[in-house]
Amino acid sequence: KNQVEQSPQSLIILEGKNCTLQCNYTVSPFSNLRWYKQDTGRGPVSLTIMTFSENTKSNGRYTATLDADTKQSSLHITASQLSDSASYICVVSADSNYQLIWGAGTKLIIKP
Amino acid sequence: NAGVTQTPKFQVLKTGQSMTLQCAQDMNHEYMSWYRQDPGMGLRLIHYSVGAGITDQGEVPNGYNVSRSTTEDFPLRLLSAAPSQTSVYFCASSTLLAKNIQYFGAGTRLSVL
Repeated sequence: KNQVEQSPQSLIILEGKNCTLQCNYTVSPFSNLRWYKQDTGRGPVSLTIMTFSENTKSNGRYTATLDADTKQSSLHITASQLSDSASYICVVSADSNYQLIWGAGTKLIIKP
Repeated sequence: NAGVTQTPKFQVLKTGQSMTLQCAQDMNHEYMSWYRQDPGMGLRLIHYSVGAGITDQGEVPNGYNVSRSTTEDFPLRLLSAAPSQTSVYFCASSTLLAKNIQYFGAGTRLSVL
């Protein structure tokens, strides 16, 4: 069964600190993996996409990694800011029928 | 830049009532979809459409109907609301070639008493 699991469920860190969010998937055949950011009371917004051949991709203070062999991805946030407080959702696209498998998300809270 | 617009933002229904959640997009996207988001779970696909006049069921379609008479609009109808349909509903759109790049509305928070 195609599944996406994210950890931790929630995370609280102090402003300025770094953090790493994890995403493990069992999706086959794999097409790509995308990270979304969802602010409270809003819809998800795409942060970055990882394809099979990409290992690392950065978008400002966000760096996503992908290990297609172990089927793991991580999202690293550097020098966190209060505005980073949100849920971060990992979504994997299955190549066969463009099915999207959504993770439950990690709720990140940044404290001053 | 309106993007994807959902109305209403909040709604309270009594069990058995019906209602329609509205969704409109101004990006000329072929693909539109409805999701529900419940605590501790990933987004679950209710219905989707690949173009005007074409709709199909997603993962959790029971109790919901959709139609797609125009490219812009994709309303979701609750036929007879049940407490299990209490959730946050999101409409999303994308091009057909890039369905994993979805643009979401702000959501409708629905409570069924």
